[in-house]
Amino acid sequence: AQTVTQSQPEMSVQEAETVTLSCTYDTSESDYYLFWYKQPPSRQMILVIRQEAYKQQNATENRFSVNFQKAAKSFSLKISDSQLGDAAMYFCAYRGSARQLTFGSGTQLTVLP
Amino acid sequence: KAGVTQTPRYLIKTRGQQVTLSCSPISGHRSVSWYQQTPGQGLQFLFEYFSETQRNKGNFPGRFSGRQFSNSRSEMNVSTLELGDSALYLCASSWTSSDTGELFFGEGSRLTVL
Repeated sequence: AQTVTQSQPEMSVQEAETVTLSCTYDTSESDYYLFWYKQPPSRQMILVIRQEAYKQQNATENRFSVNFQKAAKSFSLKISDSQLGDAAMYFCAYRGSARQLTFGSGTQLTVLP
Repeated sequence: KAGVTQTPRYLIKTRGQQVTLSCSPISGHRSVSWYQQTPGQGLQFLFEYFSETQRNKGNFPGRFSGRQFSNSRSEMNVSTLELGDSALYLCASSWTSSDTGELFFGEGSRLTVL
Protein backbone atom coordinates (compact mmCIF):
# COMPACT_ATOMS: atom_id res chain seq x y z
CA ALA A 1 0.00 0.00 0.00
CA GLN A 2 1.11 3.51 -0.69
CA THR A 3 2.00 5.83 2.18
CA VAL A 4 2.57 9.56 2.27
CA THR A 5 4.60 11.19 5.04
CA GLN A 6 4.70 14.83 6.00
CA SER A 7 7.25 15.21 8.78
CA GLN A 8 6.50 18.84 9.60
CA PRO A 9 3.26 19.18 11.58
CA GLU A 10 3.69 22.96 11.77
CA MET A 11 5.66 25.57 9.87
CA SER A 12 5.77 29.33 10.01
CA VAL A 13 7.03 31.91 7.56
CA GLN A 14 7.34 35.66 7.52
CA GLU A 15 5.18 37.46 5.01
CA ALA A 16 7.00 37.90 1.66
CA GLU A 17 9.52 35.19 2.54
CA THR A 18 9.88 31.69 1.08
CA VAL A 19 8.97 28.44 2.78
CA THR A 20 9.35 24.80 1.78
CA LEU A 21 7.04 22.03 2.93
CA SER A 22 8.34 18.47 2.81
CA CYS A 23 6.64 15.30 1.65
CA THR A 24 7.90 11.79 1.04
CA TYR A 25 5.96 8.83 -0.25
CA ASP A 26 6.36 5.14 -0.70
CA THR A 27 5.11 3.24 -3.73
CA SER A 28 6.06 0.41 -6.03
CA GLU A 29 4.21 1.95 -8.95
CA SER A 30 5.99 3.81 -11.71
CA ASP A 31 3.03 5.79 -13.01
CA TYR A 32 1.25 8.04 -10.53
CA TYR A 33 0.32 11.59 -9.69
CA LEU A 34 1.23 13.77 -6.75
CA PHE A 35 -0.71 16.72 -5.44
CA TRP A 36 -0.52 19.47 -2.89
CA TYR A 37 -3.88 20.52 -1.49
CA LYS A 38 -4.58 23.50 0.74
CA GLN A 39 -7.30 23.48 3.39
CA PRO A 40 -7.98 26.89 4.92
CA PRO A 41 -10.16 27.29 8.02
CA SER A 42 -13.21 27.32 5.75
CA ARG A 43 -12.42 23.58 5.32
CA GLN A 44 -12.70 23.40 1.54
CA MET A 45 -9.78 21.54 0.02
CA ILE A 46 -8.23 23.43 -2.86
CA LEU A 47 -5.71 22.03 -5.30
CA VAL A 48 -2.46 24.00 -5.21
CA ILE A 49 -0.32 22.08 -7.67
CA ARG A 50 -0.11 18.73 -9.46
CA GLN A 51 2.84 16.68 -10.70
CA GLU A 52 2.76 13.73 -13.09
CA ALA A 53 5.41 11.18 -12.20
CA TYR A 54 6.44 10.64 -15.81
CA LYS A 55 7.32 14.31 -16.20
CA GLN A 56 10.82 15.23 -15.12
CA GLN A 57 10.10 18.93 -15.16
CA ASN A 58 8.95 20.31 -11.83
CA ALA A 59 5.46 21.80 -11.84
CA THR A 60 4.99 25.50 -11.19
CA GLU A 61 1.87 27.53 -10.50
CA ASN A 62 2.61 31.22 -9.95
CA ARG A 63 4.24 31.49 -6.50
CA PHE A 64 4.01 27.73 -5.91
CA SER A 65 6.53 25.23 -7.22
CA VAL A 66 7.57 21.71 -6.40
CA ASN A 67 10.84 19.85 -6.17
CA PHE A 68 10.01 16.36 -7.41
CA GLN A 69 12.71 13.75 -6.85
CA LYS A 70 11.28 10.49 -8.19
CA ALA A 71 14.18 8.26 -7.20
CA ALA A 72 14.16 9.64 -3.68
CA LYS A 73 10.34 9.61 -3.60
CA SER A 74 10.31 13.17 -2.42
CA PHE A 75 7.83 15.89 -3.36
CA SER A 76 8.35 19.22 -1.60
CA LEU A 77 6.33 22.40 -2.07
CA LYS A 78 7.96 25.80 -2.21
CA ILE A 79 5.88 28.90 -1.60
CA SER A 80 7.56 32.12 -2.67
CA ASP A 81 6.60 35.62 -1.56
CA SER A 82 4.32 34.19 1.13
CA GLN A 83 1.05 36.01 1.72
CA LEU A 84 -1.30 36.06 4.67
CA GLY A 85 -3.85 34.21 2.57
CA ASP A 86 -1.45 31.27 2.24
CA ALA A 87 -2.04 30.37 5.88
CA ALA A 88 -3.74 26.97 5.90
CA MET A 89 -3.23 23.26 6.38
CA TYR A 90 -1.33 21.80 3.45
CA PHE A 91 -1.74 18.17 2.45
CA CYS A 92 0.46 16.17 0.16
CA ALA A 93 -1.45 13.45 -1.71
CA TYR A 94 -0.70 10.48 -3.96
CA ARG A 95 -2.92 9.04 -6.66
CA GLY A 96 -1.91 5.85 -8.42
CA SER A 97 -3.61 2.96 -10.14
CA ALA A 98 -6.17 2.63 -7.35
CA ARG A 99 -7.34 6.16 -8.24
CA GLN A 100 -8.18 7.28 -4.71
CA LEU A 101 -6.08 9.91 -3.02
CA THR A 102 -3.76 8.87 -0.21
CA PHE A 103 -3.07 11.89 1.96
CA GLY A 104 -0.26 12.80 4.29
CA SER A 105 -1.00 14.00 7.80
CA GLY A 106 -0.72 17.65 6.83
CA THR A 107 1.45 20.67 7.66
CA GLN A 108 -0.14 23.68 9.34
CA LEU A 109 1.38 26.79 7.80
CA THR A 110 1.29 30.09 9.68
CA VAL A 111 2.18 33.30 7.89
CA LEU A 112 3.49 36.02 10.18
CA PRO A 113 2.86 39.67 9.26
CA LYS B 1 -20.33 27.27 -12.46
CA ALA B 2 -21.48 25.85 -9.16
CA GLY B 3 -18.98 23.87 -7.12
CA VAL B 4 -19.45 20.65 -5.22
CA THR B 5 -22.35 21.05 -2.82
CA GLN B 6 -22.66 19.02 0.35
CA THR B 7 -25.64 18.94 2.66
CA PRO B 8 -26.14 19.25 5.50
CA ARG B 9 -23.10 21.27 6.58
CA TYR B 10 -23.49 20.41 10.25
CA LEU B 11 -25.42 17.75 12.06
CA ILE B 12 -25.57 16.18 15.48
CA LYS B 13 -26.69 12.60 16.07
CA THR B 14 -26.67 10.19 18.97
CA ARG B 15 -25.10 6.77 19.14
CA GLY B 16 -27.10 4.09 17.38
CA GLN B 17 -28.80 6.45 14.97
CA GLN B 18 -28.15 6.56 11.26
CA VAL B 19 -27.27 9.47 9.03
CA THR B 20 -27.43 10.26 5.33
CA LEU B 21 -25.16 12.85 3.73
CA SER B 22 -25.66 14.26 0.27
CA CYS B 23 -23.25 15.45 -2.39
CA SER B 24 -24.02 17.21 -5.66
CA PRO B 25 -21.00 17.20 -7.96
CA ILE B 26 -20.00 19.89 -10.39
CA SER B 27 -22.20 19.79 -13.47
CA GLY B 28 -20.83 17.26 -15.95
CA HIS B 29 -18.69 15.43 -13.41
CA ARG B 30 -19.54 11.75 -13.25
CA SER B 31 -17.17 10.53 -10.55
CA VAL B 32 -17.83 11.17 -6.87
CA SER B 33 -15.53 10.17 -4.02
CA TRP B 34 -16.01 10.38 -0.28
CA TYR B 35 -13.37 10.95 2.39
CA GLN B 36 -13.49 10.99 6.16
CA GLN B 37 -11.34 13.51 8.00
CA THR B 38 -10.61 13.17 11.71
CA PRO B 39 -7.86 14.65 13.90
CA GLY B 40 -6.58 11.21 14.79
CA GLN B 41 -6.72 9.34 11.48
CA GLY B 42 -6.42 12.24 9.07
CA LEU B 43 -8.00 11.95 5.65
CA GLN B 44 -9.16 8.49 4.70
CA PHE B 45 -10.81 7.28 1.52
CA LEU B 46 -14.30 5.85 1.92
CA PHE B 47 -15.52 5.01 -1.59
CA GLU B 48 -15.80 6.18 -5.16
CA TYR B 49 -18.76 6.07 -7.52
CA PHE B 50 -18.86 6.43 -11.25
CA SER B 51 -21.98 6.15 -13.38
CA GLU B 52 -23.97 4.77 -10.44
CA THR B 53 -21.43 2.01 -9.80
CA GLN B 54 -19.10 1.74 -6.84
CA ARG B 55 -15.63 1.57 -8.35
CA ASN B 56 -13.50 1.49 -5.25
CA LYS B 57 -13.92 1.13 -1.51
CA GLY B 58 -11.71 2.01 1.40
CA ASN B 59 -11.15 0.07 4.58
CA PHE B 60 -14.32 0.95 6.46
CA PRO B 61 -16.93 -1.33 8.07
CA GLY B 62 -20.12 -2.22 6.31
CA ARG B 63 -21.99 0.40 8.35
CA PHE B 64 -20.67 2.87 5.81
CA SER B 65 -22.44 2.70 2.48
CA GLY B 66 -23.17 4.92 -0.43
CA ARG B 67 -24.87 5.23 -3.75
CA GLN B 68 -24.94 7.40 -6.81
CA PHE B 69 -27.96 8.46 -8.79
CA SER B 70 -28.36 8.85 -12.53
CA ASN B 71 -27.77 12.61 -12.23
CA SER B 72 -24.41 11.85 -10.53
CA ARG B 73 -25.57 13.09 -7.15
CA SER B 74 -24.32 10.83 -4.39
CA GLU B 75 -25.34 9.96 -0.89
CA MET B 76 -23.47 8.21 1.86
CA ASN B 77 -25.10 6.52 4.79
CA VAL B 78 -23.70 5.55 8.15
CA SER B 79 -25.84 3.22 10.22
CA THR B 80 -25.61 2.44 13.93
CA LEU B 81 -23.49 5.50 14.62
CA GLU B 82 -20.56 5.26 17.00
CA LEU B 83 -18.74 8.06 18.79
CA GLY B 84 -15.74 7.47 16.52
CA ASP B 85 -17.78 8.35 13.47
CA SER B 86 -17.62 12.01 14.46
CA ALA B 87 -15.74 13.58 11.60
CA LEU B 88 -15.74 15.91 8.67
CA TYR B 89 -17.00 14.04 5.62
CA LEU B 90 -15.69 15.40 2.36
CA CYS B 91 -17.06 14.74 -1.07
CA ALA B 92 -15.02 15.25 -4.23
CA SER B 93 -15.96 15.08 -7.88
CA SER B 94 -14.09 14.75 -11.15
CA TRP B 95 -14.91 14.25 -14.82
CA THR B 96 -14.27 10.53 -14.96
CA SER B 97 -13.12 7.73 -12.76
CA SER B 98 -9.91 7.10 -14.63
CA ASP B 99 -8.62 10.58 -15.27
CA THR B 100 -5.74 11.81 -13.23
CA GLY B 101 -6.81 15.36 -13.01
CA GLU B 102 -7.98 17.46 -10.18
CA LEU B 103 -10.52 16.36 -7.64
CA PHE B 104 -12.86 19.20 -6.71
CA PHE B 105 -13.87 19.10 -3.07
CA GLY B 106 -16.97 20.33 -1.31
CA GLU B 107 -16.91 22.14 2.02
CA GLY B 108 -17.80 19.00 3.89
CA SER B 109 -20.44 17.82 6.32
CA ARG B 110 -19.45 18.01 9.97
CA LEU B 111 -20.99 15.09 11.87
CA THR B 112 -20.96 15.02 15.65
CA VAL B 113 -22.06 11.84 17.38
CA LEU B 114 -23.05 12.17 21.05
